[in-house]
Amino acid sequence: DQQVKQNSPSLSVQEGRISILNCDYTNSMFDYFLWYKKYPAEGPTFLISISSIKDKNEDGRFTVFLNKSAKHLSLHIVPSQPGDSAVYFCAAGGSTGNQFYFGTGTSLTVIP
Amino acid sequence: SQTIHQWPATLVQPVGSPLSLECTVEGTSNPNLYWYRQAAGRGLQLLFYSVGIGQISSEVPQNLSASRPQDRQFILSSKKLLLSDSGFYLCAWSVLRGGASPYGYTFGSGTRLTVV
Repeated sequence: DQQVKQNSPSLSVQEGRISILNCDYTNSMFDYFLWYKKYPAEGPTFLISISSIKDKNEDGRFTVFLNKSAKHLSLHIVPSQPGDSAVYFCAAGGSTGNQFYFGTGTSLTVIP
Repeated sequence: SQTIHQWPATLVQPVGSPLSLECTVEGTSNPNLYWYRQAAGRGLQLLFYSVGIGQISSEVPQNLSASRPQDRQFILSSKKLLLSDSGFYLCAWSVLRGGASPYGYTFGSGTRLTVV
């Protein structure tokens, strides 16, 4: 059973515009949420995280929003740049577990 | 600083042959270690994790096994590869103890395995 879902396998955005990537989870015990960025043939790299006590975390062009009642988080990239083109994975984990659960990824293409 | 090494980067193996992928971590002690697989068009699937030497938890029944002979060494093996074992294998580590943290995992660079 997929506990973390990314329902959009791909997204295309014009350079300079906003990219919004979405993620849904099912387990209300999750209290940490992360976004990873992955280029082809490379390991994922950590991008940004948020804990369940917050509803927003910002780091430069990247902002993650958490809606706990809807069990939904999103990653906003503003402005989008061609170098942002990659696969983005969201992940969720609970402080009583040993692992993070990953979504299936969203492939972002930023068009110059 | 902590680093994670994973090798080889690419591997082409015939069906029925054995497999051994190695992962080592430097700069930390007693990390949690993980093996993930990304199959074509799929997300990241957790295969095994280890919280200590000789302690292996399997998440998905399959043709693979894992071992942790040393604190910072994690090995993924198979006695006989199947075509379905093809994929991108990732090793990861974290320092969390029994729970998630805002720092997540640090991943290795991955191994592209093609079974022919």
